[in-house]
Parts: sequence; structure tokens; C-alpha cells
Amino acid sequence: QVQVVESGGGVVQPGRSLRLSCVASGFTFNTYGMNWVRQAPGKGLEWVALISSDGSDTYFADSVKGRFTTSRDSSKNTLYLQMNGLRAEDTALYYCARGVGKNDGSLDSWGRGTLVIVSS
Amino acid sequence: DIQMTQSPSSLSASVGDRVTITCRASQSISSSLNWYQQQPGKAPKLLIYTTSSLKYGVSSRFSGRGSGTDFTLTISNLQPEDFATYYCQQSYSIPFTFGQGTKLEIK
Repeated sequence: QVQVVESGGGVVQPGRSLRLSCVASGFTFNTYGMNWVRQAPGKGLEWVALISSDGSDTYFADSVKGRFTTSRDSSKNTLYLQMNGLRAEDTALYYCARGVGKNDGSLDSWGRGTLVIVSS
Repeated sequence: DIQMTQSPSSLSASVGDRVTITCRASQSISSSLNWYQQQPGKAPKLLIYTTSSLKYGVSSRFSGRGSGTDFTLTISNLQPEDFATYYCQQSYSIPFTFGQGTKLEIK
């Protein structure tokens, strides 16, 4: 069955970097756009980034633009989120989600998330 | 960016009730509206996509309607597993945006 599993979260100091990974299985990875969505503790959902199926196009929320990048390795069925210049407000549970439909924006399969805590 | 506003923010209901959650977009999003359910401590799950299409395996007690700027999610014959938080989300344009959520609680 379709599955995505995130990893790489942890506690990091402000200004430092962290890379999250998301391993996909159960579907043809290189035919789907992939998204990152985050959820701060006790808060709602915030879309973070989208990468197209072939990796040629990436899009970001204004809150992370210029600090975060996303990439994918189809040989490993893996999605990445490189987070630089981390801030306290980036503390959240980060989900990867498969995108379907218009703009790859209907998020039909989600992982359990990986927790990022930015704190000194 | 397109702002999504849900109402109410919270809702109390009983098993067997029928409830409706409303989602309004700050501009027309055609039918590009999705609904998600999030149970405590779990990842969100897609329930309905493009306004009214039920994801495979989702109970037919869930239904969606609307177009343009105004949308609704209706849950009929509430079951204990339906008590959760529900989010709408527009996929019409990037950045995708979510409503603030509606917490459905047991009365």
C-alpha cells in the first residue's frame, strides 16, 4: 500500500541546519508531486513546499522561502527538505504528503511526521 | 495568497447527529477544495477532494458541496470515530492554504 515515512527531525539550535527525509513506497514515486506540510504544537496545518514529479519545479511558502529547499532522488524513492537558518517559529511536526490532482495539491497520503524543535 | 476561513472553530454534537462545517475562500477557487480529518496524535487524512469527490474507502456519511468561494462538509449519522478536527484546504493556487480547523467534540 501507499506509504511515506519521514525521518531526520530533532532538536537544533537557532540558525543551524537540518535535513529531513521522506521515503516513499507502494507507488511509482517519480510520477507524483510531493509536498511538505508542518504543524506547530497545538496549531493548525501549514503548507511548506511542493516539488514536481520530475523535480524540475519547486514552490515554497513565504515563511520558508530562501531558507528551505526541497529535492528528490527517484533512485531511492526519497524526498528531502533541507532547512537552513532555522528559527524558533519553525518548531513543528513536519509531514510529507503525496500530491494528486490539480497542481498536485490534493494531499492523499501522509506520513506520521517528524518533529523538529528549534531551541537554544 | 488565498485565505481560507472555517466556521465554526469548534462544534459539539452527539452520536447519530448530522453536522455541517463551512469553509469560505477569500477569492474564487472553482472546485479546488479538499477536506481532511485529523484525529488526536495522528496525521491528517484526506476525506474529500475537488469539493465533493469522496476518497476511496471513506464512509459515505461524509459529503461535500460548494463552488467558487463557499463550501460545506456534512457528516451524517455521527459515529464515535468522527470526533476529530477537520481542515479545508484550497489547491487552486500556490501557496496552498488551509483553514484554521474545526474541532468536533462529543456532547
